[in-house]
Amino acid sequence: KQEVTQIPAALSVPEGENLVLNCSFTDSAIYNLQWFRQDPGKGLTSLLLIQSSQREQTSGRLNASLDKSSGRSTLYIAASQPGDSATYLCAVKGGTALIFGKGTTLSVSS
Amino acid sequence: NAGVTQTPKFRVLKTGQSMTLLCAQDMNHEYMYWYRQDPGMGLRLIHYSVGEGTTAKGEVPDGYNVSRLKKQNFLLGLESAAPSQTSVYFCASSSAGGGTYEQYFGPGTRLTVT
Repeated sequence: KQEVTQIPAALSVPEGENLVLNCSFTDSAIYNLQWFRQDPGKGLTSLLLIQSSQREQTSGRLNASLDKSSGRSTLYIAASQPGDSATYLCAVKGGTALIFGKGTTLSVSS
Repeated sequence: NAGVTQTPKFRVLKTGQSMTLLCAQDMNHEYMYWYRQDPGMGLRLIHYSVGEGTTAKGEVPDGYNVSRLKKQNFLLGLESAAPSQTSVYFCASSSAGGGTYEQYFGPGTRLTVT
């Protein structure tokens, strides 16, 4: 059974720092991996999708990498801002559904 | 283009009551999904549909029923609500099921069963 783990569970950084969020999964047979952002009391916003054949995707200050063979993905956030404060969820698609990690809650202080 | 919308946003039920959650998407997506999100558990798939008139069970289907009579709508029903069904429910949709297709999520319905 696929399991997705995100470390750390919570992270606090000062504004301007570059940071890395980690995601690991146990079964490398995936179609894709998605990173989402969730603000308190809100829905999920898709940030990046990496297909299984890709190594990384970039969007603005965000860069996500995928190493399928080792079952790892990282989300790199450059020059963090207070507006980046949210919970970041990683999800892998092995069949029809997404399997989610429990998320990393990021707090960026000004 | 509203994307994925969910009705209602909040609901409080008493144990044993029934209700239906409505999900609508205007992106002409084939696939639709219902997830629940619980503290410490992450999101888990309840049911999904790969097209109009089809439904299938996900990871945690017990106590729920679904219907997809129209392509743009996916209904989640609770026949006899239990406190264990207190959760935040998210609907999602995707144009297809392959690896290139993102899932788009609605804003969620917060359900409390007392």
